[in-house]
Amino acid sequence: RKEVEQDPGPFNVPEGATVAFNCTYSNSASQSFFWYRQDCRKEPKLLMSVYSSGNEDGRFTAQLNRASQYISLLIRDSKLSDSATYLCVVNKENTPLVFGKGTRLSVIA
Amino acid sequence: EPEVTQTPSHQVTQMGQEVILRCVPISNHLYFYWYRQILGQKVEFLVSFYNNEISEKSEIFDDQFSVERPDGSNFTLKIRSTKLEDSAMYFCASSEQDTEAFFGQGTRLTVV
Repeated sequence: RKEVEQDPGPFNVPEGATVAFNCTYSNSASQSFFWYRQDCRKEPKLLMSVYSSGNEDGRFTAQLNRASQYISLLIRDSKLSDSATYLCVVNKENTPLVFGKGTRLSVIA
Repeated sequence: EPEVTQTPSHQVTQMGQEVILRCVPISNHLYFYWYRQILGQKVEFLVSFYNNEISEKSEIFDDQFSVERPDGSNFTLKIRSTKLEDSAMYFCASSEQDTEAFFGQGTRLTVV
């Protein structure tokens, strides 16, 4: 089983749509969870950390279910500029980040 | 906003040659990393560095690779005797604590 699994997509959605990305992780000892965004041929950029209680940052909402080892990212009111690959990332204490392969999103006008 | 900077942005080298990729981490960060991403694949961990020594390395980081922090600001990745399969984007990253990391813009290495 892969350490971090994501639906590869692509997700093609119209502007204004709501889109959800899912991610599962295999290591139950994982402690920190993140969503990164990666534009084509660019570096990963931290979008948001994911907390146990769930957290929101503007149009973005992240949820964590430790029992199911499942993380989600919801994007509301999609913009053209949201088009990118969204990377689910986990780690446990004092270990490096482990990346999923990412889910590609295309927001279409 | 402080950022991680990497040079060069693109390096083309012949198979068998040595390359050095350079990075300047964010100044108050204590943890440094190298990751790579082969085109179309996921970001893979190579090595982490803390307190002037390697703290962890992956299976990819074999004897061909080495890292160095030659002074207070630079962090380098050396690849000896490059192979075709070393062609990838190499990302340097740093973090204040060993949690979320901030990435440089990457060096695209092409081995021909």
